[in-house]
Amino acid sequence: QKEVEQNSGPLSVPEGAIASLNCTYSDRVSQSFFWYRQYSGKSPELIMSIYSNGDKEDGRFTAQLNKASQYVSLLIRDSQPSDSATYLCAVNTLNQFYFGTGTSLTVIP
Amino acid sequence: SAVISQKPSRDICQRGTSLTIQCQVDSQVTMMFWYRQQPGQSLTLIATANQGSEATYESGFVIDKFPISRPNLTFSTLTVSNMSPEDSSIYLCSVEGSGGTYNEQFFGPGTRLTVL
Repeated sequence: QKEVEQNSGPLSVPEGAIASLNCTYSDRVSQSFFWYRQYSGKSPELIMSIYSNGDKEDGRFTAQLNKASQYVSLLIRDSQPSDSATYLCAVNTLNQFYFGTGTSLTVIP
Repeated sequence: SAVISQKPSRDICQRGTSLTIQCQVDSQVTMMFWYRQQPGQSLTLIATANQGSEATYESGFVIDKFPISRPNLTFSTLTVSNMSPEDSSIYLCSVEGSGGTYNEQFFGPGTRLTVL
């Protein structure tokens, strides 16, 4: 079983809609959770970190964590074409980082 | 977050040669990491480089193929030795942030390697 699983997509949403990206993880002792955005040909860029159950908002981005369900999600409100990228979920488990395979998001103008 | 630079940004190399990739950070960091990202794939950790000790390699990666140096707290190198076309990939260094227990990782811009 993979440590971190994501739907590879591709996910397409119209401009202005909410994009919802999901991630599950296998280890209950995982401590912290991250979302990275990676544009084609670029390196991953950290956009959200979350450590506690519940929601964390930063601008148009909201990360949601449910440790009981071992589930973390990223919502992007008012999606823009510039949000088109691959989104990587990462989990820190006992100081080991595990990355998902990424979800490709396309925002259609 | 730290500012991380990598050299070279890209290279095209011949089979059987070696390439050394440099990673420079603008602040002192304890742990540096080297990843590989093959086309269309996610990130695979090659090794963790701590200053003053041997690098720790992940399963499937060996020191003879990927020797790593970490001479100080702001610099590391990764060498890809005796290259084959299967080594064509993006190589990324990353560093841990300073967020206490829940350290994030921040990535350099990457080195795009093509082996002919």
